Amino acid sequence: SAVISQKPSRDICQRGTSLTIQCQVDSQVTMMFWYRQQPGQSLTLIATANQGSEATYESGFVIDKFPISRPNLTFSTLTVSNMSPEDSSIYLCSVTQGSGAQYFGPGTRLLVL
Amino acid sequence: QKEVEQDPGPLSVPEGAIVSLNCTYSNSAFQYFMWYRQYSRKGPELLMYTYSSGNKEDGRFTAQVDKSSKYISLFIRDSQPSDSATYLCAMSGDIQGAQKLVFGQGTRLTINP
Repeated sequence: SAVISQKPSRDICQRGTSLTIQCQVDSQVTMMFWYRQQPGQSLTLIATANQGSEATYESGFVIDKFPISRPNLTFSTLTVSNMSPEDSSIYLCSVTQGSGAQYFGPGTRLLVL
Repeated sequence: QKEVEQDPGPLSVPEGAIVSLNCTYSNSAFQYFMWYRQYSRKGPELLMYTYSSGNKEDGRFTAQVDKSSKYISLFIRDSQPSDSATYLCAMSGDIQGAQKLVFGQGTRLTINP
């Protein structure tokens, strides 16, 4: 399976600021996704990161709040904009390869004060 | 009603016991079923990946899917303290499309030595 890394692994931010999270994969992958896991909760899909085009967002998530880039087949970024304490979560990227199985990165733990 | 229901536990069993974890779902379009293990402060790790109904075994782990009942299970034999983690079921309906995963709430499992 692909090896996925995320940066930063954790951060503490002030409300009103923005944070960009990077996801790097060691091989080319078919699909890349971004999920949010709020404290004590399960995972919720934010968007599908499309290579070379705008991301596809799920209901309740918008591009202005969570802009996503995917410039190539191994890299994507998620920005959490104008943060509030409600954005405190773990943000996870995931990838799929040929088999369709989906693998997750280690996550970025975000605390907004 | 949630698309995927999973008892959050917590579930505590003695070492060596057989553990049974379950999820039910309502969307008959789901065809791909996954079980993830998530240790504290880590990303989800893919344990089992199955398609349609039937059983799949991998070492001490067995995944069962009963599409007629919309019910999936994960069995852990000879449970070990290292199996203590949160177990998440996830499912998807379209391998060719975005393969959006819908997660259960997760079951927190503790194996007592």
